Amino acid sequence: ILNVEQSPQSLHVQEGDSTNFTCSFPSSNFYALHWYRWETAKSPEALFVMTLNGDEKKKGRISATLNTKEGYSYLYIKGSQPEDSATYLCAFSGGYNKLIFGAGTRLAVHP
Amino acid sequence: EPEVTQTPSHQVTQMGQEVILRCVPISNHLYFYWYRQILGQKVEFLVSFYNNEISEKSEIFDDQFSVERPDGSNFTLKIRSTKLEDSAMYFCASSEDGMEAEAFFGQGTRLTVV
Repeated sequence: ILNVEQSPQSLHVQEGDSTNFTCSFPSSNFYALHWYRWETAKSPEALFVMTLNGDEKKKGRISATLNTKEGYSYLYIKGSQPEDSATYLCAFSGGYNKLIFGAGTRLAVHP
Repeated sequence: EPEVTQTPSHQVTQMGQEVILRCVPISNHLYFYWYRQILGQKVEFLVSFYNNEISEKSEIFDDQFSVERPDGSNFTLKIRSTKLEDSAMYFCASSEDGMEAEAFFGQGTRLTVV
């Protein structure tokens, strides 16, 4: 059974803090790793799709890295803002047309 | 900005009844998906659909479930005889290019089976 683990489960930070989360996934049969941002009562919104070992992607204050050999990805948020408060999901694809999701990291940024 | 739309947003149904959840994917997308999240659990894959046929399905997607793209714009999920354990938030998603492209999700249909 393929499993995707995310840590921490939840995180409370102050505005301006930088933070990072981890996603662990199977290191065999890797095809793609997705990161989504999910605000309450909205639909999950794609942040990054990463396919190559060593990939680094950046969108504004948010960036992600990928290590497919050891099966992990990090998501970084620099200078967190209250509007960054959301659940961050990672999802793994092993070459089949489906995503396997982690349980998410719930981030709360306090002013 | 194009978006995936789902209807209804909330459906309450009696156990044993049939329900149809509807989705309008983004118009130029070729890959379509249904996922669900039971309260307190992970988002889980149900089925993917490409080129007018199912390309992957999970163990959850048994004979009680079916999908259809009846008219080139809608994508539906039918549950023939609902069970209490089918209560969940159901998400439709679409993408341009399978797993190499980001998936765009709808806002979900909350299904409550009573």
